[in-house]
Parts: sequence; C-alpha cells; structure tokens
Amino acid sequence: QKEVEQDPGPLSVPEGAIVSLNCTYSNSAFQYFMWYRQYSRKGPELLMYTYSSGNKEDGRFTAQVDKSSKYISLFIRDSQPSDSATYLCAMSGGRNTPLVFGKGTRLSVIA
Amino acid sequence: DGGITQSPKYLFRKEGQNVTLSCEQNLNHDAMYWYRQDPGQGLRLIYYSQIVNDFQKGDIAEGYSVSREKKESFPLTVTSAQKNPTAFYLCASTSLQGRSSLNEQFFGPGTRLTVL
Repeated sequence: QKEVEQDPGPLSVPEGAIVSLNCTYSNSAFQYFMWYRQYSRKGPELLMYTYSSGNKEDGRFTAQVDKSSKYISLFIRDSQPSDSATYLCAMSGGRNTPLVFGKGTRLSVIA
Repeated sequence: DGGITQSPKYLFRKEGQNVTLSCEQNLNHDAMYWYRQDPGQGLRLIYYSQIVNDFQKGDIAEGYSVSREKKESFPLTVTSAQKNPTAFYLCASTSLQGRSSLNEQFFGPGTRLTVL
C-alpha cells in the first residue's frame, strides 16, 4: 500500500459545480496536510494547509482532515474554468521531514 | 523579486551524457529539494538538503547527484546511470526557522528534460 493514495482522474465538471478531491494515507504520524495546485507546465503552488484534524476555509476552498479515518478532502465551491489544474495532496510528520505527495488529480471545469 | 529560479526551462540530452540542472533561491531558505514528475506519477523526491554541505537521498536517488556548496544553490546532475531520465524536474525550498508550524515548500517553474 502506498503511503498516500489519490485518484488521478481526470475529473470534469460544469462551471458552478461543487468539486470534492480526496486523499487517503496510511502513516498515522502525518500531522501536516496540504493541497497544492499545479497548472500545466508550471511548478505547484500551495493552496491550503491544515495541521492535525479539522476544517479550514479560504474563500471558495475548504480543506478537511479526518485523522481517525486517515482521509483528507478539498472542496471547491462555485468552480470556475480558472480552477482547471492538477491538485496534489501532500503531507508530512514534522516540520523538518520531507513532504509525501499524492499522484495528483487533474480537474477540468467546463464553461 | 524573491523566488526560486530553475534553468534551463527545456533541456535535451543525448544518451550517455551527464547534464546539470540549476536551482537558485533568494528566499534565505534552509532546505532545498529536487523532485521528478512523470505523467500519472505525482512528485517523487530525488534528493534534499537541510544545510550547506549536507544532503540526503530521497526515494529515487539512483542515477542522480547533488551538491550544496552555497545556501542559495542546489544543482542536480542527471548522470548516464539514470536509465529513464526524460521527465519534468522541480526544485523546491522551505524555511526551517521561525515559529510557524508550516513547512510550506515553494516551487520553481521546473525544467523539462528530454533524452534523444
């Protein structure tokens, strides 16, 4: 079993839809959870991060972490064509330990 | 402007040649990382360095080498021993200081390496 599992998609939704992206993980030591967005042929950029369990909201984006289920989610409300990108989950057990990335989910929002 | 630069953006190599990818940051970050990204594979860690003159192997270090002679620079050499080097290479850096609990990694724009 890989440390971090993420469905690669592709996922295609109409503009305005609510998007749900998910990752599961096996390492119970993970405490830092992040979502990166990567546009085609660009470097990833940090979108959301959460420490331990709970929810975090930033505009149209909500990140959720359920450590008991080892499951994290990213919700995008009122999705826009500009949200079309690959979304990568990442996590680590400590500040000084390297991140472990999921494979990324490719999202297309159709106008 | 603060940030991470990678050069070149595109690189072509003949089989059997070593090539070096450049990564420079002016963010005063302590740690630097090299990742390889293949279609459908996500990011895989090649090497990382948390301090000058020290570095650790990641998950796929075979066929690669690095150096960290300066805090700002972390070049990656793809050697002829790397059997399938065609990929998108990403460099990242992060600060290990401060009170923030976040080890956010900032990424460069990447170098696309193609072996002919």
